[in-house]
Amino acid sequence: AQSVTQLGSHVSVSEGALVLLRCNYSSSVPPYLFWYVQYPNQGLQLLLKYTSAATLVKGINGFEAEFKKSETSFHLTKPSAHMSDAAEYFCAVSGDTGRRALTFGSGTRLQVQP
Amino acid sequence: EAGVAQSPRYKIIEKRQSVAFWCNPISGHATLYWYQQILGQGPKLLIQFQNNGVVDDSQLPKDRFSAERLKGVDSTLKIQPAKLEDSAVYLCASSVQAGGSTDTQYFGPGTRLTVL
Repeated sequence: AQSVTQLGSHVSVSEGALVLLRCNYSSSVPPYLFWYVQYPNQGLQLLLKYTSAATLVKGINGFEAEFKKSETSFHLTKPSAHMSDAAEYFCAVSGDTGRRALTFGSGTRLQVQP
Repeated sequence: EAGVAQSPRYKIIEKRQSVAFWCNPISGHATLYWYQQILGQGPKLLIQFQNNGVVDDSQLPKDRFSAERLKGVDSTLKIQPAKLEDSAVYLCASSVQAGGSTDTQYFGPGTRLTVL
């Protein structure tokens, strides 16, 4: 079974500051890991995904995440926050081979202060 | 390329009534998922289809929820009878096929259900 824990349900940063959203996973098989973003009244949009090719994954809108097996972590970062980054962010892990449904964390709401 | 379409976008019903949601996945996508997202939580899988067959419905409350995917394209999710705790956003997602390392799920805008 897989699970994801996102530390911090709300994170607030100033515009231009570093964004760090934390995600730890549990998986009995090598995981595929994803970060999705959800804007109000919209569906989820993929930011980036880890599929074992490279531990540092670059995504859209300047976000990146690093897979650390020893720490079972997949934290999301962005060097400089923009007002448009304000949204809900979900970390997710996929299931076993043949069953790629996602198990999501509870989400982190990012606020960006001017 | 058109995205995943869902309708209706919003629905308000009384408890014990029935409701149905519709999803049209991205053309050519073999796998379709229905997720339930309760306010303040992450989405939770309800059912996964591969073409028109069910891959996983272990978390679907089968006494009141049903889903079908006719001809391996569109899908309908039904709740009958609805309970207050069914108030949530119902998200449909599709992917090219399950099991591929490059498989990305594409989500529709969701249907927000309010049960009074």
